[in-house]
Amino acid sequence: DQQVKQNSPSLSVQEGRISILNCDYTNSMFDYFLWYKKYPAEGPTFLISISSIKDKNEDGRFTVFLNKSAKHLSLHIVPSQPGDSAVYFCAASAQTGANNLFFGTGTRLTVIP
Amino acid sequence: NAGVTQTPKFRVLKTGQSMTLLCAQDMNHEYMYWYRQDPGMGLRLIHYSVGEGTTAKGEVPDGYNVSRLKKQNFLLGLESAAPSQTSVYFCASTPGGLGGANVLSFGAGSRLTVL
Repeated sequence: DQQVKQNSPSLSVQEGRISILNCDYTNSMFDYFLWYKKYPAEGPTFLISISSIKDKNEDGRFTVFLNKSAKHLSLHIVPSQPGDSAVYFCAASAQTGANNLFFGTGTRLTVIP
Repeated sequence: NAGVTQTPKFRVLKTGQSMTLLCAQDMNHEYMYWYRQDPGMGLRLIHYSVGEGTTAKGEVPDGYNVSRLKKQNFLLGLESAAPSQTSVYFCASTPGGLGGANVLSFGAGSRLTVL
């Protein structure tokens, strides 16, 4: 049973606009969340993370929001750029340690020039 | 620094054949992992290692074996390949311990097809 879900397999956004990628989780014990980005023929690369003691974390154009009561997190990219076109995976864990890191199925973002 | 390197990148096997995927990292990371990625599913953990000489089962370990004889290498073996093992395999590593332990460095992947 999928504990981390990304219900939108794909998203298309115009260059310069905001991209919002969503992720839902079912396990209330998850306390650390990450987003990874993956280009074709490459491995995923770490993008941004957030711990459950926060509800927002920013890094440049990327912001992750966490709503613990709704068991929902989202990644905002502003402004979106063509180079952001990739597959984005969210991941969650119940404790520090990647041996229990659960990944979503990914959302393919296409930024249209 | 090459980071995490996986070999081979592509392989086609017949059912029942055996093979080994090699993962090498040059970052002196303690922890190493093997994941598989299948369409419509997230990355799933097969096996992992928290240090040289150690291995442990992940979420989907059946049909695979691993070894970590040297800190920098983590091998994934398929003793008798099955079509259900057709997948893209990713190796990853992390320094381990508290702080940043979840931030994995991934290899580029190995696409395996079992006919």
